[in-house]
Amino acid sequence: GENVEQHPSTLSVQEGDSAVIKCTYSDSASNYFPWYKQELGKGPQLIIDIRSNVGEKKDQRIAVTLNKTAKHFSLHITETQPEDSAVYFCAASRGGSEKLVFGKGTKLTVNP
Amino acid sequence: EAGVTQSPTHLIKTRGQQATLRCSPISGHTSVYWYQQALGLGLQFLLWYDEGEERNRGNFPPRFSGRQFPNYSSELNVNALELEDSALYLCASSSSGERETQYFGPGTRLLVL
Repeated sequence: GENVEQHPSTLSVQEGDSAVIKCTYSDSASNYFPWYKQELGKGPQLIIDIRSNVGEKKDQRIAVTLNKTAKHFSLHITETQPEDSAVYFCAASRGGSEKLVFGKGTKLTVNP
Repeated sequence: EAGVTQSPTHLIKTRGQQATLRCSPISGHTSVYWYQQALGLGLQFLLWYDEGEERNRGNFPPRFSGRQFPNYSSELNVNALELEDSALYLCASSSSGERETQYFGPGTRLLVL
């Protein structure tokens, strides 16, 4: 079955710096890749997603890139702010009604 | 628009008891997914319900079960609770037109003593 690896497990940056989180997946049939942000005591919040027919997607300070050949995708956050501090999860699925397979998460800390 | 809601927020049970967790999807969504988030194990897929039917289940024993009601809300039942069932149980919903896009609720934190 699908396996998603996520790195790093923890990331600490200074406010204003960029943060990059990387994920690799094993199932070449996966075609949908969402990213979730989970704050303490809350459920995961969808922040951006990308489908396999697109190589990059941006939404303000957040961008996601996908390399289908290498089977990896990355989350880029620019101009980080303290409120970006949270645990970020990547996931992959075959799309449609398939389950999401999640990475183990990255705890991002943005220091003021 | 109201998001996914779950109840209760916290639940404390003892080993061997049964737990029932509830989820109301976003209005108009017909699919409900259940995930377990245990410490150190990330989010693990449990069950998927769509149009009242169980469509898929993850690698969990049969004592994890559930159902979906005609109004698309869902219930997760965990029988014969074990200590390792202690976790955050998350419900997500998606629409029939965009099933892969799942929106999560705040979760139910289950503690088994």
